[in-house]
Amino acid sequence: SAVISQKPSRDICQRGTSLTIQCQVDSQVTMMFWYRQQPGQSLTLIATANQGSEATYESGFVIDKFPISRPNLTFSTLTVSNMSPEDSSIYLCSVGGQGQGTEAFFGQGTRLTVV
Amino acid sequence: AQSVTQPDIHITVSEGASLELRCNYSYGATPYLFWYVQSPGQGLQLLLKYFSGDTLVQGIKGFEAEFKRSQSSFNLRKPSVHWSDAAEYFCAALFSGGYNKLIFGAGTRLAVHP
Repeated sequence: SAVISQKPSRDICQRGTSLTIQCQVDSQVTMMFWYRQQPGQSLTLIATANQGSEATYESGFVIDKFPISRPNLTFSTLTVSNMSPEDSSIYLCSVGGQGQGTEAFFGQGTRLTVV
Repeated sequence: AQSVTQPDIHITVSEGASLELRCNYSYGATPYLFWYVQSPGQGLQLLLKYFSGDTLVQGIKGFEAEFKRSQSSFNLRKPSVHWSDAAEYFCAALFSGGYNKLIFGAGTRLAVHP
């Protein structure tokens, strides 16, 4: 199993500003994943973060809006840039669940409200 | 296209009643299947998973799920619901064949009446 710590757990931000979310894992992992969960919705994969290379973004998500860093095998950050109220969501970091039938583990999430 | 469908958006049951949450997947090959639970303000916790073998899998908190290949289903069940089971439940599938990404259903919100 993996223990994932995310911070901040919640934040209220002004539109036009940026917020960086941190994700720390208690073990080394090759891939880390960032999801968005809009109010009342399911989880949507934003991007996959590999250490030592650029993140791979899913359709509808771009690096300028959601820049991701992956400086080592236990840490990643997601930045939500130039925020608007539509970015109000829960953002979750995840590891595992990709191939070899492994299960995915999730952080507690960051609840972001943009006003 | 690969997809996971949870037909029931909201379900309300009485405490002590039985529960079944439905999940169907759309793809040719059998994916790896998961059920997660999300309590208010919390992250996702894995309830159970199916990779292969016995089609009836046991999970935590008294939950079980049955994989039925003929129906492309992986329904979650619990014989007696507790008030603490009120939460959002997500079915997810990991499809093989190059895509290799976890796909979530829309979720089912469970309310439990005393």
